[in-house]
Amino acid sequence: NAGVTQTPKFRILKIGQSMTLQCTQDMNHNYMYWYRQDPGMGLKLIYYSVGAGITDKGEVPNGYNVSRSTTEDFPLRLELAAPSQTSVYFCASRRAGLAGKETQYFGPGTRLLVL
Amino acid sequence: KNEVEQSPQNLTAQEGEFITINCSYSVGISALHWLQQHPGGGIVSLFMLSSGKKKHGRLIATINIQEKHSSLHITASHPRDSAVYICAVLGGAQKLVFGQGTRLTINP
Repeated sequence: NAGVTQTPKFRILKIGQSMTLQCTQDMNHNYMYWYRQDPGMGLKLIYYSVGAGITDKGEVPNGYNVSRSTTEDFPLRLELAAPSQTSVYFCASRRAGLAGKETQYFGPGTRLLVL
Repeated sequence: KNEVEQSPQNLTAQEGEFITINCSYSVGISALHWLQQHPGGGIVSLFMLSSGKKKHGRLIATINIQEKHSSLHITASHPRDSAVYICAVLGGAQKLVFGQGTRLTINP
């Protein structure tokens, strides 16, 4: 299994541009998550999904959108990039079941720079 | 105040030393995770525990639910253990809340 894959690895955006960060997992996991990691800060949850067709906001959803049309894919959309969205973005997934018993698997991250 | 606090924020030690990283949390939880983030950025799960103690190789994780505190220990530390160690707690709504991480550097 490839696990959780993310593309691109690195991207530079101009203010106001839009882009989609791709996330795919091949473990048939129901739960998927998008986090951002800012320097010196803990990971913050942006959006999550408990299954295809179901998404919900996390702690810092403003400026982002998601969709979950299949079990495998969970893309994150930035519509109008702002410098405050400069960060490293991680996608993660886990199986359904007791959350306290399930490991989260993380993708390699996407480094985004908005200038 | 953050819901999850780690200490120390940075730790430098010599190869072979015994390492302890602490995590305190202020919310009721159902589980606590320890994660490792290598310099390349990838994050892997080390432990998931809801009570007691777990051991994997040279790593040991303990949790005291009453005191809302967990520790990660590394015995016989090695330069390859250099990484950021992250504590995360599973609270309400089944979502993880993360500490800010502890940057560990082991010098040969």
